[in-house]
Amino acid sequence: ETGVTQTPRHLVMGMTNKKSLKCEQHLGHNAMYWYKQSAKKPLELMFVYSLEERVENNSVPSRFSPECPNSSHLFLHLHTLQPEDSALYLCASSQDSGGTDTQYFGPGTRLTVL
Amino acid sequence: GIQVEQSPPDLILQEGANSTLRCNFSDSVNNLQWFHQNPWGQLINLFYIPSGTKQNGRLSATTVATERYSLLYISSSQTTDSGVYFCAVEWPARQLTFGSGTQLTVLP
Repeated sequence: ETGVTQTPRHLVMGMTNKKSLKCEQHLGHNAMYWYKQSAKKPLELMFVYSLEERVENNSVPSRFSPECPNSSHLFLHLHTLQPEDSALYLCASSQDSGGTDTQYFGPGTRLTVL
Repeated sequence: GIQVEQSPPDLILQEGANSTLRCNFSDSVNNLQWFHQNPWGQLINLFYIPSGTKQNGRLSATTVATERYSLLYISSSQTTDSGVYFCAVEWPARQLTFGSGTQLTVLP
């Protein structure tokens, strides 16, 4: 596969469930990102990992827990979510050379919390 | 924080028409990117353009960093150009801040 892949593409979960979103990049990049896109709102950056270390965490609730085991994989672990967390979750990657290089996005996971 | 404003919010065109989308930002930025999001949610990077002008087929972009704006030109629009166009600026460092987007609909 090429580019950035995300699984699952669609997820429906109850507020008491625990699930994980997976992102994999095949571009040889060293930085990965999680974004949240809610209806009628701009994309919001949630987490940034560079060289497998978290460099940014934009005041995201603790019910979202990221994990970056290596430079090609990124996970977002979800637990006790709220209905307002329903959104499109997008993963991206780039080559971090001290600034933001071109970001390449995955197709997203559309999450519905019941 | 920085403000990124895009205009117009919605645009409807007849196939073959030209259009200009605008992005204004409120502070100096290290770079600016334009993206297209198709109806299925996929975001595609169109331009990485901190300053100057770039062209790619029917699309071109110009960023005037000193005046804090960027323009995206679409010529001879096609129905496949429909979707949402976002500009995003690097602010703060290593982070992209997105505008609210322009929803483009191209009618056959």
